[in-house]
Amino acid sequence: NAGVTQTPKFRILKIGQSMTLQCTQDMNHNYMYWYRQDPGMGLKLIYYSVGAGITDKGEVPNGYNVSRSTTEDFPLRLELAAPSQTSVYFCASSYGQGADEQYFGPGTRLTVT
Amino acid sequence: DQQVKQNSPSLSVQEGRISILNCDYTNSMFDYFLWYKKYPAEGPTFLISISSIKDKNEDGRFTVFLNKSAKHLSLHIVPSQPGDSAVYFCAASARGNTPLVFGKGTRLSVIA
Repeated sequence: NAGVTQTPKFRILKIGQSMTLQCTQDMNHNYMYWYRQDPGMGLKLIYYSVGAGITDKGEVPNGYNVSRSTTEDFPLRLELAAPSQTSVYFCASSYGQGADEQYFGPGTRLTVT
Repeated sequence: DQQVKQNSPSLSVQEGRISILNCDYTNSMFDYFLWYKKYPAEGPTFLISISSIKDKNEDGRFTVFLNKSAKHLSLHIVPSQPGDSAVYFCAASARGNTPLVFGKGTRLSVIA
């Protein structure tokens, strides 16, 4: 049981480039989430999904896109990377929402220069 | 506007003593609260939670207290151990199964 896995662990992008952050969970969880954590800040929700084919915006969705074609995978797409997207990105999953414990991946550290 | 506030960015405690981490919230619709612990270069991990129908929940060395009238909760760690050194995030969920809202975190350092 690998839990939540994220790739890559680190990435440096040039301004205007695009990339996809991968996230996979093997716990058959319905809910999946993408957060970003800036230095000294808490976790801010970018997008979340309540099941395959269903996604919704979180607090900071601008500049990102997601898809959920399977229960296991929830990739996050950055188009036209900007320095403001320099952050650590965490993917998480849970069986339900709200009160249910979320399981987090190890994070992807992204730098945009 | 921060709905979940952790006003102490850092806290330093001697090994064996009590650590008290505080969290305040503004949204009266929050009815479930969770604490997550995060080590460097790792994702957060769930620590303990409390429902708004309770005022205390205990799990080993960790106890969370909820004061609904003050919109305040606290995490007590007794006794503190060096392995408890981490960033602790308070999070809250509103009725209706809404996404979690996280505070900025408090970095706890337990000194041997």
